[in-house]
Amino acid sequence: AQKVTQAQTEISVVEKEDVTLDCVYETRDTTYYLFWYKQPPSGELVFLIRRNSFDEQNEISGRYSWNFQKSTSSFNFTITASQVVDSAVYFCALSARGGGGNKLTFGTGTQLKVEL
Amino acid sequence: DAGVIQSPRHEVTEMGQEVTLRCKPISGHDYLFWYRQTMMRGLELLIYFNNNVPIDDSGMPEDRFSAKMPNASFSTLKIQPSEPRDSAVYFCASSRAGQVNQPQHFGDGTRLSIL
Repeated sequence: AQKVTQAQTEISVVEKEDVTLDCVYETRDTTYYLFWYKQPPSGELVFLIRRNSFDEQNEISGRYSWNFQKSTSSFNFTITASQVVDSAVYFCALSARGGGGNKLTFGTGTQLKVEL
Repeated sequence: DAGVIQSPRHEVTEMGQEVTLRCKPISGHDYLFWYRQTMMRGLELLIYFNNNVPIDDSGMPEDRFSAKMPNASFSTLKIQPSEPRDSAVYFCASSRAGQVNQPQHFGDGTRLSIL
């Protein structure tokens, strides 16, 4: 069985603070893919990043960075110098061959509120 | 490029009525997914298609739900008869095939309210 846990239900920060969103996953597969999606207040789901299980290099894209650690089954997401526009629900998701190929298992999401 | 297009954006109807949700995937994408999002259950995969063929419908809640994909550019999710507990946001997503699991691109969703 596959599972994604986002233990942080809601996080509130003040603009310009750094914030890290946690994601812990479970799978028996050795080949799998991890994703982050953003759901702003308007409701759409926006793809942010995909990482495969063989690539543990961290990734940085502007103010966003992702830390993938297989040893702890975690794929955490950090926003540096947060802005009000970052306010959204962020979902971590897992896709593994044993779970049906392209099927995504989502976490319950973390609501991020960035205030002035 | 046009993204995944869903219609209608909002639907309000009375229980017992038939509801049809529509989705146009991104051109060239081989996979199409239907999800349901509720506060209680989060994002749930209902069914997905590959090359217009249903691959896994284990997430479809009951026989009142059905989905079809008659061609590569169109899919429907139908609820008949609808019940208040079906109220949710329904998302359609599509992705390409490939050696790696390609990211799924989502439509804006249909917000369904069953009175």
